[in-house]
Amino acid sequence: QQQVKQSPQSLIVQKGGISIINCAYENTAFDYFPWYQQFPGKGPALLIAIRPDVSEKKEGRFTISFNKSAKQFSLHIMDSQPGDSATYFCAAKGNYGGSQGNLIFGKGTKLSVKP
Amino acid sequence: DAGVIQSPRHEVTEMGQEVTLRCKLISGHNSLFWYRQTMMRGLELLIYFNNNVPIDDSGMPEDRFSAKMPNASFSTLKIQPSEPRDSAVYFCASSFGSSGGTQYFGPGTRLTVL
Repeated sequence: QQQVKQSPQSLIVQKGGISIINCAYENTAFDYFPWYQQFPGKGPALLIAIRPDVSEKKEGRFTISFNKSAKQFSLHIMDSQPGDSATYFCAAKGNYGGSQGNLIFGKGTKLSVKP
Repeated sequence: DAGVIQSPRHEVTEMGQEVTLRCKLISGHNSLFWYRQTMMRGLELLIYFNNNVPIDDSGMPEDRFSAKMPNASFSTLKIQPSEPRDSAVYFCASSFGSSGGTQYFGPGTRLTVL
């Protein structure tokens, strides 16, 4: 119940294309769903996040789509650029018990955007 | 503002040696998280502190691992004795608040145990 399942493991997209990464969760107590971006040799950094009271959030070329009934959420990167090449992690956090601050991370998706 | 600071950035040691990783939180943050990242297991939470108190240490692999917060802005993660399977990148992250807030990650310490 604590898992967040992320797919695909790796993704190759042409410059200008749309990158889509999907995540699924089981625990309905999760109430915060961030996406983190990690470049080689760096720590993960928050990219965009959503709470379950909305179905979509957009920031520039990055959009989170959230389906509460299906317990799924996805990251869409429009007009993908070579500079977007990185590893992307979805995560979920619940506001319950002793784990109020914990993020549960997916396994990550390595995105390569070809010029 | 300085971000989360970790030291050392790289550590190479031999099996059986003690390893201490250090982390300085962002000023004003009161939650501290230690993570371990490997290709096989991804990003794993080891332990989480709030206001210097360990809240969840269920991810600490075994008794060889220990973490402390001697003060509100500093934490150490110690491995004694170290083993080759401990080789990984160790991140600390800090945030403000006990139930939310963005986690800001440090640059990580790459640990290699020979």
